[in-house]
Amino acid sequence: EPEVTQTPSHQVTQMGQEVILRCVPISNHLYFYWYRQILGQKVEFLVSFYNNEISEKSEIFDDQFSVERPDGSNFTLKIRSTKLEDSAMYFCASRLTVSPGGYTFGSGTRLTVV
Amino acid sequence: GQQVMQIPQYQHVQEGEDFTTYCNSSTTLSNIQWYKQRPGGHPVFLIQLVKSGEVKKQKRLTFQFGEAKKNSSLHITATQTTDVGTYFCAAPLRGQAGTALIFGKGTTLSVSS
Repeated sequence: EPEVTQTPSHQVTQMGQEVILRCVPISNHLYFYWYRQILGQKVEFLVSFYNNEISEKSEIFDDQFSVERPDGSNFTLKIRSTKLEDSAMYFCASRLTVSPGGYTFGSGTRLTVV
Repeated sequence: GQQVMQIPQYQHVQEGEDFTTYCNSSTTLSNIQWYKQRPGGHPVFLIQLVKSGEVKKQKRLTFQFGEAKKNSSLHITATQTTDVGTYFCAAPLRGQAGTALIFGKGTTLSVSS
């Protein structure tokens, strides 16, 4: 079964450093998303991406965040200057169409900011 | 902003007992989705409900979408230890199909044998 692949699985970074989280969505999917989940809490929407541009973003997705699809396969989330509160599990998700059907989530990257 | 309320937050049952989680929105939803997240895992899509009053079954799981399309429930009959995890409902961010999803806080189910 096709998978969404995320790397790395775990990243530890110092506060103020930049991090790039990488995702390879399912190859024929058209819609891409980043979500995050602080330990023990709900899954929070960050940003959606379609047709090589951001289609929606949440209040969490401020100027410190950016997304790119640098080639036909990768989808990246960059955090420019990490803060302690950015520590969370970051999930990439993709889907083929907007309706019907759910998202396929990757296994996530656990980001720890120290 | 739009919120999706989910209750209960936690539920512990004995194996074989039934389990239900409820999801409510203050606004009419175009659809609602359900996901399961095993401990340490990622959300896995279970089902999407679109029609008013819709009921769908997957083996021991029964999903309902309310007549007003503002609430939904997931019922598990005769729970098994493999049902352990957190169940999330999720609805379109701005109530319209095609927008990103907003997740409820989830119901964490634990099952003792």
